[in-house]
Amino acid sequence: AQSVTQLDSHVSVSEGTPVLLRCNYSSSYSPSLFWYVQHPNKGLQLLLKYTSAATLVKGINGFEAEFKKSETSFHLTKPSAHMSDAAEYFCVVRGPGASGSARQLTFGSGTQLTVLP
Amino acid sequence: NAGVTQTPKFRILKIGQSMTLQCTQDMNHNYMYWYRQDPGMGLKLIYYSVGAGITDKGEVPNGYNVSRSTTEDFPLRLELAAPSQTSVYFCASSYSPTYEINEQFFGPGTRLTVL
Repeated sequence: AQSVTQLDSHVSVSEGTPVLLRCNYSSSYSPSLFWYVQHPNKGLQLLLKYTSAATLVKGINGFEAEFKKSETSFHLTKPSAHMSDAAEYFCVVRGPGASGSARQLTFGSGTQLTVLP
Repeated sequence: NAGVTQTPKFRILKIGQSMTLQCTQDMNHNYMYWYRQDPGMGLKLIYYSVGAGITDKGEVPNGYNVSRSTTEDFPLRLELAAPSQTSVYFCASSYSPTYEINEQFFGPGTRLTVL
């Protein structure tokens, strides 16, 4: 089964400084990877996805992520944090998961990003 | 389009009560999903459906039932509520042609407390 590990449960940055949210994955074959964001009391929104095309993936709101197969990593970055970026971020790998479905999404435990003024 | 809508937003149940969480999508997506999110955890898949009349278990199906009589609706049923089912429940949908990978669209969630 696929799995993801988000290495930091909480990250704090100052507004205007870079953001780095770390994610490692485990997969028996070439994975499909996603980053989702969840603002307080809201549903999840897709930031970006990697599906074996370009290894550097650009998403919405200035975020990007780089797929590194040798390091089994898919870290999320943004050059300059904005107050509106404060949210919880989930790294996600696509199936098969514990249910055996190839379409199942397996979520990391999340990283809470705090942006300080 | 309204996207994925869920009702109710909040609910408090007593142990042993039953309830149905409603989920509707207006994007004509064939795939629909139910997840639960416990504090400090990622989402776990409860059930999913690949089309009307077809449902299958996810990672944590015990204590839940689903049905999919139409493309738009995918209700989640709790028959005998237990405190362990206190969680936030998210419904999602996606359009997923074979061999293509499409994002899942999430509803705003239902916060359920079982006392």
